[in-house]
Amino acid sequence: EAAVTQSPRNKVTVTGGNVTLSCRQTNSHNYMYWYRQDTGHGLRLIHYSYGAGNLQIGDVPDGYKATRTTQEDFFLLLELASPSQTSLYFCASSDERGSNERLFFGHGTKLSVL
Amino acid sequence: GDSVTQTEGLVTLTEGLPVMLNCTYQTIYSNPFLFWYVQHLNESPRLLLKSFTDNKRTEHQGFHATLHKSSSSFHLQKSSAQLSDSALYYCALSRKNYKPTFGKGTSLVVHP
Repeated sequence: EAAVTQSPRNKVTVTGGNVTLSCRQTNSHNYMYWYRQDTGHGLRLIHYSYGAGNLQIGDVPDGYKATRTTQEDFFLLLELASPSQTSLYFCASSDERGSNERLFFGHGTKLSVL
Repeated sequence: GDSVTQTEGLVTLTEGLPVMLNCTYQTIYSNPFLFWYVQHLNESPRLLLKSFTDNKRTEHQGFHATLHKSSSSFHLQKSSAQLSDSALYYCALSRKNYKPTFGKGTSLVVHP
């Protein structure tokens, strides 16, 4: 089974705080994704990347930055966190975009912005 | 862009009854890939089944779905619900060189 590891598992910060969520995959996958999950909204795509140094904008990018430093590592940055960003964040990877390749998800990071 | 619609936000069933979760989609691409992911409580989503062949039934772990391009549908079914089927189910669409699209999810609750 493909491995996607997220850290931290839980994070609490204050409004205006600076947060970095980390994701590492050891699947040699090209594509990595950041989603947020909220009741009533399902999984919403924030940013994604198809390789080191590449970044693509997702469906709900406002307030988020992302960086893909290596094929394995993808980071999500909240530079001025707001309570509306309180959510469960999932990282995922896949071998190809737009194919029958499934997404492999990490265990999630629960973020609370007070 | 693409869209996936799951009409029911919550489905509540008695154990032993059949399950049907609806999924319809819109895309300009003629050969989309459709997926069902399942997410149990405190876990991450994982693939349940997938298809890209029109009118072909695909099955996994007692669940089945058939992609019908004529009606743009990919409904998830199971003949007899089990307590362990209680989970959040996502329908998703993927197409060549485009980001994946998820529905909003259907929460299935199976009670004794």
